[in-house]
Amino acid sequence: GAGVSQSPRYKVAKRGQDVALRCDPISGHVSLFWYQQALGQGPEFLTYFQNEAQLDKSGLPSDRFFAERPEGSVSTLKIQRTQQEDSAVYLCASSIQGVRDEQYFGPGTRLTVT
Amino acid sequence: AQSVSQHNHHVILSEAASLELGCNYSYGGTVNLFWYVQYPGQHLQLLLKYFSGDPLVKGIKGFEAEFIKSKFSFNLRKPSVQWSDTAEYFCAVILGGYNKLIFGAGTRLAVHP
Repeated sequence: GAGVSQSPRYKVAKRGQDVALRCDPISGHVSLFWYQQALGQGPEFLTYFQNEAQLDKSGLPSDRFFAERPEGSVSTLKIQRTQQEDSAVYLCASSIQGVRDEQYFGPGTRLTVT
Repeated sequence: AQSVSQHNHHVILSEAASLELGCNYSYGGTVNLFWYVQYPGQHLQLLLKYFSGDPLVKGIKGFEAEFIKSKFSFNLRKPSVQWSDTAEYFCAVILGGYNKLIFGAGTRLAVHP
């Protein structure tokens, strides 16, 4: 079956631009997670949705980062006024119910801020 | 604060060698432990997980991990590696009642034929 998909796969943004990253989770998966992975590091938690409810956004690095999942399926991670330190791979994952279920990861979006 | 430490960043082995990748966490309460793997060009995927019970957990592709509570460790092992095990391996933990998966920095394994 279809896995988690993300778009775009690559994004180059000039410093100060806004970007929007999309995640399509596996159909029927209740939970959705966003992670940020810097070069040479493991993924770092950003935020977690249960259906359309954002239950944890403690990992969002600043108020320039905003995530939504309005209908409980597709999610968008928006970064306003991008900075060079935002350059990273942004991973999306979904799971059947919660954080302790197996998380299925997408291919990621590689964001480069110039 | 770093909650998960993976000691080796790069490991190079020959086929048929035994593998042990270290993982330590720093938390005194209940933990759920995971190993994820990312093969070249593929997505992160779950290898195995430990929640409770038998501390020796078996996963896919012949991998196993042992939870040693007294050492705060969850090392990954495989008795005989294959070239196809070349990948990056991530240890991850959920601490207590928190709702987030915390990853280590990863270990890149290269297996030479």
